[in-house]
Amino acid sequence: QKEVEQNSGPLSVPEGAIASLNCTYSDRVSQSFFWYRQYSGKSPELIMSIYSNGDKEDGRFTAQLNKASQYVSLLIRDSQPSDSATYLCAVNRGSQGNLIFGKGTKLSVKP
Amino acid sequence: SQTIHQWPATLVQPVGSPLSLECTVEGTSNPNLYWYRQAAGRGLQLLFYSVGIGQISSEVPQNLSASRPQDRQFILSSKKLLLSDSGFYLCAWRSDRVLGYTFGSGTRLTVV
Repeated sequence: QKEVEQNSGPLSVPEGAIASLNCTYSDRVSQSFFWYRQYSGKSPELIMSIYSNGDKEDGRFTAQLNKASQYVSLLIRDSQPSDSATYLCAVNRGSQGNLIFGKGTKLSVKP
Repeated sequence: SQTIHQWPATLVQPVGSPLSLECTVEGTSNPNLYWYRQAAGRGLQLLFYSVGIGQISSEVPQNLSASRPQDRQFILSSKKLLLSDSGFYLCAWRSDRVLGYTFGSGTRLTVV
């Protein structure tokens, strides 16, 4: 089983819709979870972090964490064409270890 | 504020040539530093990390090496590049208090 798994996509949503990105992880003791956005040819940019079960909202972004199911998701409300990018899920190895990244989900928001 | 600098932005090198990529961080002390590689169609692969001067941990055996000669400087090197070394190389840092990593702008290396 891969440590961090994401659907590669592409995920295509119309402008104004909700985009839902999902991620599962294998290490039960992981404590920190992150979502990065990576535009084509650019480096990843941290957009959300979540450490506790439940939801965390920041503007149009909501991160959701369920440690029992080893599942973390990112919702993007009112999707814009500028949200088109690859979204990387990252999970720390162990309780305080290095970040392990998924391969990313490519999101395309159509005008 | 903290900033991370990485250079060069692009590099084309022949097979068998040496490599040196440099990364520096400003505005913080004793950061954790990381080198990642992102090959085409693949995820981010952790290559090396360092928690202090002269302290290097390798995640993947390969013909690359890393060094940390100063607190805020991290260098990735190779004596002889292989075609398989092509990729997007990213330096990142992390402070003690923030667990998320901040990435530099990256170096796109093409070995020909």
